[in-house]
Amino acid sequence: DGGITQSPKYLFRKEGQNVTLSCEQNLNHDAMYWYRQDPGQGLRLIYYSQIVNDFQKGDIAEGYSVSREKKESFPLTVTSAQKNPTAFYLCASSRGPIGSYNSPLHFGNGTRLTVT
Amino acid sequence: DQQVKQNSPSLSVQEGRISILNCDYTNSMFDYFLWYKKYPAEGPTFLISISSIKDKNEDGRFTVFLNKSAKHLSLHIVPSQPGDSAVYFCAASSGTYKYIFGTGTRLKVLA
Repeated sequence: DGGITQSPKYLFRKEGQNVTLSCEQNLNHDAMYWYRQDPGQGLRLIYYSQIVNDFQKGDIAEGYSVSREKKESFPLTVTSAQKNPTAFYLCASSRGPIGSYNSPLHFGNGTRLTVT
Repeated sequence: DQQVKQNSPSLSVQEGRISILNCDYTNSMFDYFLWYKKYPAEGPTFLISISSIKDKNEDGRFTVFLNKSAKHLSLHIVPSQPGDSAVYFCAASSGTYKYIFGTGTRLKVLA
């Protein structure tokens, strides 16, 4: 079955440490995304990538970094510069530009990061 | 600036009745709208979408209505089932790579 795999499901880190969240997809989708969900808020876009070796900042990119060396993989690093890193992180992919009407986002099951 | 708003944080409905979830938007450039369903500790699942050239799209028990003049979107679930209990997000796009999501409405279907 095709899908998006995020690992680990739960992650705990000490403040000041960088941490990398994994996201792998076997849907052969070109575009990949990272969102963050906080209680009482909608999903907010951190970074997105339309093709390999290219990515753009979303609305809340500060304190995060990404890479897109392979089509299947889009890891997110939460750096110590991120002021409020504790959140639920969701990775998603789409077949093409989301302005095309047959290209909804497909989400992984998320990683809950807790930083203390 | 909340461009997509879901003003009802929660909704309770009896099993078998209709559930109506609402979403308002402010950006007239949005031309593609979607609804997602999310269970706790899982990723959202795509439910149904509609483009701005239509005012209604139906898929089984789910129907989405779009009122462009009012900048209003609604999702109807008929009949509601206990398994529909989840958080529902609406999202909108204006032809870029960015979706703007609402804050979600928690639906509880009572057996």
